Amino acid sequence: KAGVTQTPRYLIKTRGQQVTLSCSPISGHRSVSWYQQTPGQGLQFLFEYFSETQRNKGNFPGRFSGRQFSNSRSEMNVSTLELGDSALYLCASSRIGTSGNNEQFFGPGTRLTVL
Amino acid sequence: QQQVKQSPQSLIVQKGGISIINCAYENTAFDYFPWYQQFPGKGPALLIAIRPDVSEKKEGRFTISFNKSAKQFSLHIMDSQPGDSATYFCAAKGNNDMRFGAGTRLTVKP
Repeated sequence: KAGVTQTPRYLIKTRGQQVTLSCSPISGHRSVSWYQQTPGQGLQFLFEYFSETQRNKGNFPGRFSGRQFSNSRSEMNVSTLELGDSALYLCASSRIGTSGNNEQFFGPGTRLTVL
Repeated sequence: QQQVKQSPQSLIVQKGGISIINCAYENTAFDYFPWYQQFPGKGPALLIAIRPDVSEKKEGRFTISFNKSAKQFSLHIMDSQPGDSATYFCAAKGNNDMRFGAGTRLTVKP
């Protein structure tokens, strides 16, 4: 069974640009969550999508947005990039979602560097 | 806001020793407490998890101890091996919210 895949693995952008990251969950998983990981702030929850609907949202500005498609694949978009957006962006999928104790499976992440 | 505090930030243990990582949480609505292991270049992987209705859970060399009244839980790695060298994150989940600790970088020296 294939794991969670994220593309691209590495990305370099400049301030003010926008970026779109992609996540393909494990087959059969309907929930996709996104996290930002930085050395200073650790793992921070961005948002969760379930059946194409955003179910939960973390405390991030509106520049961070996402969506989920009917095949459960998800994309995350960051507009007007800032230096502080440099981070590892992780996607995690689970069968049901963050409610309940279903295990979340993480992808390898996309390393975003903003210059 | 930090709702899960993890310590220590880094830990060095000799092979065969016991590694202990501690976490404390604030929100009493949390009802599921997983630990994740992360190797460089990889995403976090679930190691072991506990619910607050039990005080201890053991899986192989890994044990979670849970103290509901103190709102604290800890991970014990027995007979630590160099292959256990990784970053460990505790987490707390409840009410559709999941918070992570800041992580502990464990180094097990041969």
